[in-house]
Amino acid sequence: KQEVTQIPAALSVPEGENLVLNCSFTDSAIYNLQWFRQDPGKGLTSLLLIQSSQREQTSGRLNASLDKSSGRSTLYIAASQPGDSATYLCAVRGNFNKFYFGSGTKLNVKP
Amino acid sequence: EPEVTQTPSHQVTQMGQEVILRCVPISNHLYFYWYRQILGQKVEFLVSFYNNEISEKSEIFDDQFSVERPDGSNFTLKIRSTKLEDSAMYFCASSDHRGRDYGYTFGSGTRLTVV
Repeated sequence: KQEVTQIPAALSVPEGENLVLNCSFTDSAIYNLQWFRQDPGKGLTSLLLIQSSQREQTSGRLNASLDKSSGRSTLYIAASQPGDSATYLCAVRGNFNKFYFGSGTKLNVKP
Repeated sequence: EPEVTQTPSHQVTQMGQEVILRCVPISNHLYFYWYRQILGQKVEFLVSFYNNEISEKSEIFDDQFSVERPDGSNFTLKIRSTKLEDSAMYFCASSDHRGRDYGYTFGSGTRLTVV
């Protein structure tokens, strides 16, 4: 069974810092990987989707990379802002049509 | 941008009662899903639905759960006799698998509280 791990579990940084969130998965036979943002008590907002054949995707200040063979993905956030404070979830999709989620990294960006 | 809409946003029900959670997926999507997140735990898969039938379900999705697409636009999750441990945030999602996979779009969730 696919296991998805995210480290760190929590991260607190001053505004303006660049930061990296890590995601690892045990089964490299994935179809794609998606990063989500979750605000407290709210839904899941898709940030970036990486297909298994891709190495990275970029959207604004966000860059996600994928190394399928080693079972790792990173989410890079440039010039962090207080509005980036949220929980970031990594989810991997295998050949069966369902996602396996990590526990998330809770990010706090201090003004 | 197209959205997945879920109603209600919060539902409180007594143990043993039936609840129906409602979702309106994105109109041209073909695959529909329910996930849930118990407070403090991971988001976990419940069921996927395609072509008017369940395509996959998890071990959580027992006989107390059922899904339906009653009218071509709504997608519902029914819990027949709720238990305290069913308290969670329930997320509906949909996806378009025509050609390239564009990933899932999730709704904002229904918080179910069983008392």
